[in-house]
Amino acid sequence: RKEVEQDPGPFNVPEGATVAFNCTYSNSASQSFFWYRQDCRKEPKLLMSVYSSGNEDGRFTAQLNRASQYISLLIRDSKLSDSATYLCVVNPSRSGGGNKLTFGTGTQLKVEL
Amino acid sequence: DARVTQTPRHKVTEMGQEVTMRCQPILGHNTVFWYRQTMMQGLELLAYFRNRAPLDDSGMPKDRFSAEMPDATLATLKIQPSEPRDSAVYFCASGLGGSLDTQYFGPGTRLTVL
Repeated sequence: RKEVEQDPGPFNVPEGATVAFNCTYSNSASQSFFWYRQDCRKEPKLLMSVYSSGNEDGRFTAQLNRASQYISLLIRDSKLSDSATYLCVVNPSRSGGGNKLTFGTGTQLKVEL
Repeated sequence: DARVTQTPRHKVTEMGQEVTMRCQPILGHNTVFWYRQTMMQGLELLAYFRNRAPLDDSGMPKDRFSAEMPDATLATLKIQPSEPRDSAVYFCASGLGGSLDTQYFGPGTRLTVL
């Protein structure tokens, strides 16, 4: 079983739609969680961290479910510019133990007119 | 706007040749990472440095790959000899350390081994 698993997609959605991605992780001791965004032929960039209480940044909402070991990302009112690959990222280390990240293979989103 | 830089951006070489990739982390960052990305495997961590000391290179094929940090402003990844299966995009990333820290990625080196 992979450490971080994501549905590769693609998710094809019309502009303005709401779309949600899930990601599961295998290490129950994992401490921190992130969503990164990667545009075609570009480097990954941090989209948002995922906190236990959930967090929201504009149209983006991230949730963590430790009991079920999954992370979600919700995008509301999707824009053409949201088209990208979304990478689920997990850090299994405890605080002070380093930040060696494990990346999922990504979920591809295509927002269409 | 501080960025991680990588050179070269593209490299085409023949099997058996040595390849050296370079990375300049963001000034002040004390952690440096080398990743490899392929369509099949996604992003894989190859090596990880903190304060120039190698902390983890378990993801790196030891027989042909080597990673070093000659100084705080330069990290290198070498492949010798290169093989077609090494064709991938190699990313360098840097950060300040800590489990909640953001990693900032460079633009990558796209390597093709013929």
